[in-house]
Amino acid sequence: QVQLQESGPGLVKPSQTLSLTCTVSGGSISSGSYYWSWIRQPAGKGLEWIGRIYTSGSTNYNPSLKSRVTISVDTSKNQFSLKLSSVTAADTAVYYCALQKYYYGSGSYYTYFDYWGQGTLVTVSS
Amino acid sequence: EIVLTQSPGTLSLSPGERATLSCRASQSVSSSYLAWYQQKPGQAPRLLIYGASSRATGIPDRFSGSGSGTDFTLTISRLEPEDFAVYYCQQYGSSRSLFTFGPGTKVDIK
Repeated sequence: QVQLQESGPGLVKPSQTLSLTCTVSGGSISSGSYYWSWIRQPAGKGLEWIGRIYTSGSTNYNPSLKSRVTISVDTSKNQFSLKLSSVTAADTAVYYCALQKYYYGSGSYYTYFDYWGQGTLVTVSS
Repeated sequence: EIVLTQSPGTLSLSPGERATLSCRASQSVSSSYLAWYQQKPGQAPRLLIYGASSRATGIPDRFSGSGSGTDFTLTISRLEPEDFAVYYCQQYGSSRSLFTFGPGTKVDIK
């Protein structure tokens, strides 16, 4: 079974860059059936998709965050990473990494977030 | 961008009762790209339903999904104590490669 684990600083100063890494175990990040996403959730609020990366390095980002987000992959370490620049208090949230399964079956493409990390709280404060 | 609206915001029910949760999209969504998740306090979301109506591995058959176009429903046939949680619908817009989540429905104990 695939497991994901987020790691990184729990406290970031305003205007600085938030950096998180997701380590994947129990499966290869190079699997062609998966994309790798970051999702966040402010306390007491809903879920916001930040962006995703494919093993090739191809990325898609949420337009609302696109100018500040970079997602990268390190296949040699079975990890992918998130960088969010120019953070403010509004970026305080639990950040999750997730495996997005994407496949063709029964005449349609299907996609969903199949596995999630436990989440890591990042607080933006001076 | 497709906006998902979930109703009701909170559903207060007793164990054994039936729960019906609604997810409405601002424009038509491909059913194969519609999923439901359950989230308990302090935990990551867990996939319940994908493709609008297919149960994920290990999900009890009291959970069912239905719908198409702009209206989707998650039904819990008989609530068990462990089912009291927040439920989110989620869709994928392939034209813009964008995922969006609904605001969630909290199912709490009456």
